[in-house]
Amino acid sequence: SQQGEEDPQALSIQEGENATMNCSYKTSINNLQWYRQNSGRGLVHLILIRSNEREKHSGRLRVTLDTSKKSSSLLITASRAADTASYFCATDFSGGGADGLTFGKGTHLIIQP
Amino acid sequence: EAQVTQNPRYLITVTGKKLTVTCSQNMNHEYMSWYRQDPGLGLRQIYYSMNVEVTDKGDVPEGYKVSRKEKRNFPLILESPSPNQTSLYFCASSAGRGSHEQYFGPGTRLTVT
Repeated sequence: SQQGEEDPQALSIQEGENATMNCSYKTSINNLQWYRQNSGRGLVHLILIRSNEREKHSGRLRVTLDTSKKSSSLLITASRAADTASYFCATDFSGGGADGLTFGKGTHLIIQP
Repeated sequence: EAQVTQNPRYLITVTGKKLTVTCSQNMNHEYMSWYRQDPGLGLRQIYYSMNVEVTDKGDVPEGYKVSRKEKRNFPLILESPSPNQTSLYFCASSAGRGSHEQYFGPGTRLTVT
């Protein structure tokens, strides 16, 4: 299946800094979603951005979508230790089929106090 | 509280011994799915269901069965588990397929010896 791919695979920053993660995909999408997973737990939905949107905000999160480059970025501002988690992008491809979202392999973010 | 529950949370079993992992949601969602998560491979969809009595294969359905007799329940059945099915399993539900956020259960960590 056509996974999105997150970059980098792992990221370690100091508390208070901003963290940026990227997601690239291969075919046209209806929407793209970002999820967070704390170690070994279920994924939690963060934000959904539709193909006709370019930017969305939710609290300290900012997501951008560039459909011409087939890429998205997730920015977490003023990071906190509690932001330590894995972050996944998930894409809803517009090419038909009925299998819902396709998840990438994730970016593991570590916030150092 | 809106939630997806899975049982058991942890299971160690032996090769060939049939097992069922239950999944239940209280949000009246039509769409439910099962994923497995393995290191380096991300989340891969096993089966999904668009509604009662409607199920279909995801990316990695071999060795698994599902049923959807009631809207709220979507059990995952391993009729003859093998060691390569050792994994972390997640059930998820949503109001629709790709255009809605998915709610994930807490996960079931399965070890097959």
